Amino acid sequence: DTAVSQTPKYLVTQMGNDKSIKCEQNLGHDTMYWYKQDSKKFLKIMFSYNNKELIINETVPNRFSPKSPDKAHLNLHINSLELGDSAVYFCASSDLREATGQTDTQYFGPGTRLTVL
Amino acid sequence: SQQGEEDPQALSIQEGENATMNCSYKTSINNLQWYRQNSGRGLVHLILIRSNEREKHSGRLRVTLDTSKKSSSLLITASRAADTASYFCATRLWGAQKLVFGQGTRLTINP
Repeated sequence: DTAVSQTPKYLVTQMGNDKSIKCEQNLGHDTMYWYKQDSKKFLKIMFSYNNKELIINETVPNRFSPKSPDKAHLNLHINSLELGDSAVYFCASSDLREATGQTDTQYFGPGTRLTVL
Repeated sequence: SQQGEEDPQALSIQEGENATMNCSYKTSINNLQWYRQNSGRGLVHLILIRSNEREKHSGRLRVTLDTSKKSSSLLITASRAADTASYFCATRLWGAQKLVFGQGTRLTINP
């Protein structure tokens, strides 16, 4: 069983389009994240939801809008795509209640490679 | 500037040798974690070391933490071709809700 899954795996689109990436976790975790990994492999957090509530909102253009319909799902919608949005987007989940404990592990999805032409 | 920075950026060694990667950070931390990323895949958690710990082991992995120098090292002993991957350190600051990742060390194990 896949713990954290993302769809699609690859997304190629034109500038100006709107697209969504979906993420689901079956680990029973209460917190989910979106990360962006650029071409230099730098991984930067974008958003985090805890029990469907936004708890981290980094400096991200408001063209990016996360939505969490329930605590097992966190989707990312991107409006008016730009060339600079090309990257690999990772979803992750964790149990925030364990953040100060021994585990504090984040489980990552396989990534969605977004290419904007 | 980034909280965690790995050194070296790339490392290439022969199978069977030991690989050491370092991570430096700037602010006091609650814990530091190491993750592995195989090409085209998501990150996988390897090991966590808390701020009051100095060394931890997991199989062929050994992690040290020196809070006075704000640095950590990851040692992989008896490397194998399957260890070829990028390795990232991530820090959790006290009271923070997020992990901050470094840029990673690209490790290549040559057969």
